[in-house]
Amino acid sequence: AAGVIQSPRHLIKEKRETATLKCYPIPRHDTVYWYQQGPGQDPQFLISFYEKMQSDKGSIPDRFSAQQFSDYHSELNMSSLELGDSALYFCASTPRGLAGPSTDTQYFGPGTRLTVL
Amino acid sequence: EDKVVQSPLSLVVHEGDTVTLNCSYEVTNFRSLLWYKQEKKAPTFLFMLTSSGIEKKSGRLSSILDKKELFSILNITATQTGDSAVYLCAVPHQGAQKLVFGQGTRLTINP
Repeated sequence: AAGVIQSPRHLIKEKRETATLKCYPIPRHDTVYWYQQGPGQDPQFLISFYEKMQSDKGSIPDRFSAQQFSDYHSELNMSSLELGDSALYFCASTPRGLAGPSTDTQYFGPGTRLTVL
Repeated sequence: EDKVVQSPLSLVVHEGDTVTLNCSYEVTNFRSLLWYKQEKKAPTFLFMLTSSGIEKKSGRLSSILDKKELFSILNITATQTGDSAVYLCAVPHQGAQKLVFGQGTRLTINP
């Protein structure tokens, strides 16, 4: 079965550079979530999109922005990178439908490991 | 604020042992609780629980929810080295669906 696709899988950047992470949800999934997971920590919610509109916002720095496109893929743009941005960034998707148990299960992509030097 | 607490944070057992992982939660308008297994990559979905007292089972793994006492347990019987992973418990935040995760239990199975 098709899974969530993320690219790139690994990314190394210098401080103050910019990075763009991409996420392609499972087909027929229209809701996308971004999470950041630091070493030894649980995933922290950043932002989500439903039908190309931002649906919720978590602890996402102002230096980061994201959007969802007409084909439902999403991109997370990160500017002025800091050392503390080094983490695993996961994208997850859920099927179409109203919020409820049928759409609660989020399927995670393999993640992008970002290292800021 | 929604909160998920897992225990223990770390557990080391021998192959063949049975383990029980705990997850307690405080969430407004509870809807469901999810268990994920995370090895050195993305969290992999294990179970979603919505009703109290109904056990979900998949092979050697099983899980049950107690909505009165606000907790869930994940049992793994006859553990194997491949069960070594971090097990995450999560609940959807009210309305918005974002997942609030517990700290995870790092399970290590020694041969």
